[in-house]
Amino acid sequence: DAGITQSPRHKVTETGTPVTLRCHQTENHRYMYWYRQDPGHGLRLIHYSYGVKDTDKGEVSDGYSVSRSKTEDFLLTLESATSSQTSVYFCAIASGSTDTQYFGPGTRLTVL
Amino acid sequence: SQQGEEDPQALSIQEGENATMNCSYKTSINNLQWYRQNSGRGLVHLILIRSNEREKHSGRLRVTLDTSKKSSSLLITASRAADTASYFCATFGNNRLAFGKGNQVVVIP
Repeated sequence: DAGITQSPRHKVTETGTPVTLRCHQTENHRYMYWYRQDPGHGLRLIHYSYGVKDTDKGEVSDGYSVSRSKTEDFLLTLESATSSQTSVYFCAIASGSTDTQYFGPGTRLTVL
Repeated sequence: SQQGEEDPQALSIQEGENATMNCSYKTSINNLQWYRQNSGRGLVHLILIRSNEREKHSGRLRVTLDTSKKSSSLLITASRAADTASYFCATFGNNRLAFGKGNQVVVIP
């Protein structure tokens, strides 16, 4: 899967708890993305990064924050998880903004 | 908001038949990409077609793009059971990739 891993792969948590998902790449790609996938909605962009410490919001960014302190890692944090954030989260990387994106295996998050 | 919209949503075909999926979009784009997702897995890139291209081939895949109609089609020829998956179109515009809701394709052996 193009040198991209996500951790954890599965997580069950309770409403109100903080959660951090990690995306790690070994490709040295500049762009990194976080998406969520829900039935009936396809993939929706949460946040993306175009370099170390450079991030921007996607279409469903409320309730999420991100950080990128080094090229290889992009963290997605749910400050206070809600049941509506139950989803499958995918990280993707790309060398250029208009280029092919390579996806990680996904993290299935359940918020009870 | 969702940019790409695929049609049909679900398709069931016999092995060896061709499968065609369509995608429409609303705004101007830089390129359009198709991805495949097998159950429980991440998305895999299939093919990218730029806005100044009209047709592109890759193995058993053929993609067309009609920017005047804001639509694209993906043709998979001589389908195999391994082609069973969800297929997504994604349009690049406004500095981001926007995905459609996906087509579920089932190839019956």
